[in-house]
Amino acid sequence: AQKVTQAQTEISVVEKEDVTLDCVYETRDTTYYLFWYKQPPSGELVFLIRRNSFDEQNEISGRYSWNFQKSTSSFNFTITASQVVDSAVYFCALSEAGYGGATNKLIFGTGTLLAVQP
Amino acid sequence: DTGVSQNPRHKITKRGQNVTFRCDPISEHNRLYWYRQTLGQGPEFLTYFQNEAQLEKSRLLSDRFSAERPKGSFSTLEIQRTEQGDSAMYLCASTPYETQYFGPGTRLLVL
Repeated sequence: AQKVTQAQTEISVVEKEDVTLDCVYETRDTTYYLFWYKQPPSGELVFLIRRNSFDEQNEISGRYSWNFQKSTSSFNFTITASQVVDSAVYFCALSEAGYGGATNKLIFGTGTLLAVQP
Repeated sequence: DTGVSQNPRHKITKRGQNVTFRCDPISEHNRLYWYRQTLGQGPEFLTYFQNEAQLEKSRLLSDRFSAERPKGSFSTLEIQRTEQGDSAMYLCASTPYETQYFGPGTRLLVL
């Protein structure tokens, strides 16, 4: 069965601190996708990144970076120099790859509430 | 470029009433998903459409729930004889293949 674990329920940091959000996943599939979504207080889930299981290269986008390690089944998300606008709930999610009629439904973790204090 | 839209954004109803939510996906996205999110939890998959065909339903989707996607465009999710346990955020997402883009959700409160 597929499962995503986000062990950090809440994290509080002061503006300009770096913060890492942890994500550990379980799957028997050899091909899968990993995602991060941001959910601000307004409630809408905002897509941040998708990673294919074959691509373990780390990625950086501005202040955001992602560390994907298949050996530890982890897909961690780091925000550098955090800002108040980064305050939100962040979800890690997993889906099977879409071959042979697969649904590609997302399996979400329980989310990490990040509070960035000014 | 318009995103996924959902209506209504909020719905308050009394136990036992029927409610219907609408989702308009991003144009030309053939895949559409419904999820339910309760407080403090991540979204949970309810059902999936590819064009007009409903291809998968979660066990969470009891007989009181029904979803349609006529003509493969917008979709509706109906809950009959609502119960207090149905109170949640109902999210719709669409995609042409891999990355799902979510709407703002419909927040349902059953009194």
